[in-house]
Amino acid sequence: DAKTTQPNSMESNEEEPVHLPCNHSTISGTDYIHWYRQLPSQGPEYVIHGLTSNVNNRMASLAIAEDRKSSTLILHRATLRDAAVYYCTFRGSTLGRLYFGRGTQLTVWP
Amino acid sequence: GAGVSQSPSNKVTEKGKDVELRCDPISGHTALYWYRQSLGQGLEFLIYFQGNSAPDKSGLPSDRFSAERTGGSVSTLTIQRTQQEDSAVYLCASSPGGRLRNTGELFFGEGSRLTVL
Repeated sequence: DAKTTQPNSMESNEEEPVHLPCNHSTISGTDYIHWYRQLPSQGPEYVIHGLTSNVNNRMASLAIAEDRKSSTLILHRATLRDAAVYYCTFRGSTLGRLYFGRGTQLTVWP
Repeated sequence: GAGVSQSPSNKVTEKGKDVELRCDPISGHTALYWYRQSLGQGLEFLIYFQGNSAPDKSGLPSDRFSAERTGGSVSTLTIQRTQQEDSAVYLCASSPGGRLRNTGELFFGEGSRLTVL
């Protein structure tokens, strides 16, 4: 299975930046890195994805290490609504499925 | 609606009974996934359908679990002779698939919460 390693939990204060790390040492050259988040009692929702270059969208930024064995999801200004479990995952090289671990529980304090 | 629809949202059953969970993906999405999430756990991959290709069933935990996708659209996950350890939220997701299968985002439904007494 395609494995990722994330801290179990992180905390942030509102309005501060948050850097959520993920290690994915078994990633292959053609695998895309995806991030999802899951709010309480909801299904996961897409956040961002990338291959090699850093990526930005309206929700977050994704910084990918040069060797692609790790990545960091950056929330530039955390809000209370960002409190969720964040999953880092990547596509298997020959199949489209995504593997999810336990993710990082982000707590945002007012 | 435009999103992934799952039914029932909640199902309580007795041990040994069979259950069927339904997923209605976003129209036009060729890829469909089933995941299971036990309390406090991450998402466990179960099965993946991509167009007319043979499904990837490698995540099904036992032969009591099966899934089918009719007409490339609606999917049904069937659990036979349910056990207490089958209690979980079963999540369905769809994705554009095809050339976007590695990049296209997954759209998840709200899940079906199964409780086996």
